[in-house]
Amino acid sequence: QSVLTQPPSVSGAPGQTVIISCAGSSSNIGTHYYVHWYRQLPGTAPKPLIYGNTNRASGVPDRFSGSKSGTSASLAITGLQAEDEADYYCQSYDSSLTTVTFGGGTKLTVL
Amino acid sequence: QVQLQESGPGLVKPSETLSLMCTVSDYSVNNGYYWGWIRQPPGKGLEWVGHIFYSGTTFYNPSLRGRVTISADTSKNQFSLKVNSASDADTAVYFCVRGTVTTNPSFDSWGQGTLVTVSS
Repeated sequence: QSVLTQPPSVSGAPGQTVIISCAGSSSNIGTHYYVHWYRQLPGTAPKPLIYGNTNRASGVPDRFSGSKSGTSASLAITGLQAEDEADYYCQSYDSSLTTVTFGGGTKLTVL
Repeated sequence: QVQLQESGPGLVKPSETLSLMCTVSDYSVNNGYYWGWIRQPPGKGLEWVGHIFYSGTTFYNPSLRGRVTISADTSKNQFSLKVNSASDADTAVYFCVRGTVTTNPSFDSWGQGTLVTVSS
């Protein structure tokens, strides 16, 4: 069980906005450590989406945005498209466990 | 653009050593960045295994209890992973990755992944 908690699934219709949450604690997201986000299409390797809480990776459209507040972080996807169907993972560092840690992942379904 | 490619046996017997190699192309492992491994059990989420700096400094997931060794061969532009005393819990797709040099690296390049099954 991960120390970063993500909803197992979220869904939205094309054109809508969805937000994927990543809940942590005072030993990870609540510290100065950044949050990074990755997207994984079925059967492929994860690809970077957001790094350093809010920065989009190369080639990522501005429909994707990241934020961090307190002990939580969020990934917002606006103008949902069918190709956004994938698994999304957040990542941070936990100073108590002294480990890089990932959230359990969220499966996004476009209705 | 950097490319990473994993190689190694797809089947390992329980209690034996799981060994994988990552070959890096179009970028020197000497040129900054961490080089590491992330694994994903079938149908499950991602787990950080560890990473190495070209100088030899290593960082490992404490949950793997000292069974993991990551090393780099800068002359061949490769780095490797060894997991001792393998068990079925080590069955996973293993990805080699490049990460930024910070306590919490951003992994900006990934290999395609290779499935390793631990079974007799």
